[in-house]
Amino acid sequence: GNSVTQMEGPVTLSEEAFLTINCTYTATGYPSLFWYVQYPGEGLQLLLKATKADDKGSNKGFEATYRKETTSFHLEKGSVQVSDSAVYFCALLPSARQLTFGSGTQLTVLP
Amino acid sequence: GAVVSQHPSRVICKSGTSVKIECRSLDFQATTMFWYRQFPKKSLMLMATSNEGSKATYEQGVEKDKFLINHASLTLSTLTVTSAHPEDSSFYICSASTGVKPEAFFGQGTRLTVV
Repeated sequence: GNSVTQMEGPVTLSEEAFLTINCTYTATGYPSLFWYVQYPGEGLQLLLKATKADDKGSNKGFEATYRKETTSFHLEKGSVQVSDSAVYFCALLPSARQLTFGSGTQLTVLP
Repeated sequence: GAVVSQHPSRVICKSGTSVKIECRSLDFQATTMFWYRQFPKKSLMLMATSNEGSKATYEQGVEKDKFLINHASLTLSTLTVTSAHPEDSSFYICSASTGVKPEAFFGQGTRLTVV
């Protein structure tokens, strides 16, 4: 079956630190991969996506590369801000069109 | 980008009453809508998948008589929590898909509190 394994949180960083949140997946076929962000009390917002191997998704300084050989889609940002504090979810969408989510990683950025 | 509107954002109801949550795709036709439940500090749990004009498909362990889902049009799906109990208190989130592009768009979520 399909599954997403995401780095356990919570993660606490100082402003301007480098961020990596690991995500690996198990899936049949060629799923699309996503990172969603959830701010407190809100729904999910799409942060970035990649639909095929070696694609790099990027948005708001965040990046993730679809690595089929390592079945990974790690989220990175070179310099985090306080406003990046949120919960981040890695997800995959196989051809069945039903998202499978990771467990979420809480990020707190301190000024 | 595609917008999904979920209403209400917060609702408090008495135990034993029913609550309806609406999920609307504002600028696209959603052939498929998904309903999730999120417990505090937990990931999203898929409750059911609904396709326009047909019965919803519920995940194992989700009571379909308690969580009624209707997807009457390509832009609207509703989730009704019937005879609500305090343990139904949770954050409910809907998402919508066109079925064409590999992407799902999420509503803002509804915080349900049953007292």
